[in-house]
Amino acid sequence: AIRMTQSPSSFSASTGDRVTITCRASQGISSYLAWYQQKPGKAPKLLIYAASTLQSGVPSRFSGSGSGTDFTLTVSCLQSEDFATYYCQQYYSYPLTFGGGTKVEIK
Amino acid sequence: EVQLVESGGGLVQPGGSLRLSCAASGFTFSSYWMSWVRQAPGKGLEWVANIKQDGSEKYYVDSVKGRFTISRDNAKSSLYLQMNSLRAEDTAVYYCARRSSSWDYFDYWGQGTLVTVSS
Repeated sequence: AIRMTQSPSSFSASTGDRVTITCRASQGISSYLAWYQQKPGKAPKLLIYAASTLQSGVPSRFSGSGSGTDFTLTVSCLQSEDFATYYCQQYYSYPLTFGGGTKVEIK
Repeated sequence: EVQLVESGGGLVQPGGSLRLSCAASGFTFSSYWMSWVRQAPGKGLEWVANIKQDGSEKYYVDSVKGRFTISRDNAKSSLYLQMNSLRAEDTAVYYCARRSSSWDYFDYWGQGTLVTVSS
């Protein structure tokens, strides 16, 4: 199975900050990577697929990049509603696997 | 509006069985692969199973193979997960999710149903 490793596992940030989350795959997955946002007690929400394609309705302050084994999710200007946990997911091969999550907390 | 509503969760003893259901609406259910994804309390997400539009292909994570069965009824726009030989480590919120039209990522999710395996 392809292992997905996210870093950091958590960090604190302030509204207006530019933040970056990293996701590394244990083997190359081309651009078969998605990012999700999850708030406490809620279902995950798709943000980005194909490593860099923004899902319809997602604010443009979210962006994704990378291919192969190294990927990043960037929020250009953190808003209050962005404090949440973020997960990456590879869909290059079965079993589909997620990263362990990155919790973005308010500083 | 796409809606996915899970039901059937609850408390079950180790070794027991449970059947989860997911009622879909707002899209042509029979045109999409569907999935189950779970999340243990305080933990991350784990994909459980996928099923093709006509039910002819199914995929499972190794930890549930032989114990869980994914199925669907396109006439009822419903997805199911039959869970047998349940273990404590199966305790989780189980989400029904729609696979995108092109690839194995999930563009819509239900609100989840909690399964607790405990004596």
